[in-house]
Amino acid sequence: EDKVVQSPLSLVVHEGDTVTLNCSYEVTNFRSLLWYKQEKKAPTFLFMLTSSGIEKKSGRLSSILDKKELFSILNITATQTGDSAVYLCAVEYLAGNQFYFGTGTSLTVIP
Amino acid sequence: DAGVIQSPRHEVTEMGQEVTLRCKPISGHDYLFWYRQTMMRGLELLIYFNNNVPIDDSGMPEDRFSAKMPNASFSTLKIQPSEPRDSAVYFCASSFLGLAGENEQFFGPGTRLTVL
Repeated sequence: EDKVVQSPLSLVVHEGDTVTLNCSYEVTNFRSLLWYKQEKKAPTFLFMLTSSGIEKKSGRLSSILDKKELFSILNITATQTGDSAVYLCAVEYLAGNQFYFGTGTSLTVIP
Repeated sequence: DAGVIQSPRHEVTEMGQEVTLRCKPISGHDYLFWYRQTMMRGLELLIYFNNNVPIDDSGMPEDRFSAKMPNASFSTLKIQPSEPRDSAVYFCASSFLGLAGENEQFFGPGTRLTVL
């Protein structure tokens, strides 16, 4: 059965720490992998990854995909309290625009 | 653009009542998605449309759920009759499949449904 698994389920760090969030997948006909940040509202888009080994970067956030080992990581450096959120990983499959979402990693950054 | 618009933002109803959730996608987007989010099951895709046509409704939990998209700017998700286990946040999202293959989904604010 296709699935997307995120780890850890939750994480508490201090401001300034660096965190790595993991997303592994077993999906037929992979097309892309997306990362979202969800605070107390709707998910907001972070990255879309389609090719292995190419890092996407936005400020303190970066992400990379390994299509051979079927996983992606999301790195956040110098964390801030505003990074506290649930980070969702979604894998697009088949002909496109069909997604499986992981259950998310809840990140709490304490001052 | 105002983004994806959903209404109502909150809905409290009694078991057995009909519930209708509404969504207005971003103008120009040709894909529309309905998701349900609960603590237990996370974010689940219920159904999605392409150019107003339902493409995949395999995520719709049962016959009590139905969705329509009569035109490019409006979609509804209906639950009839509603049950307490339907309590969740329902998100609508829209996207546009660009020439480069990009298809970021933009989410609406969600409708928090509580069925008593």
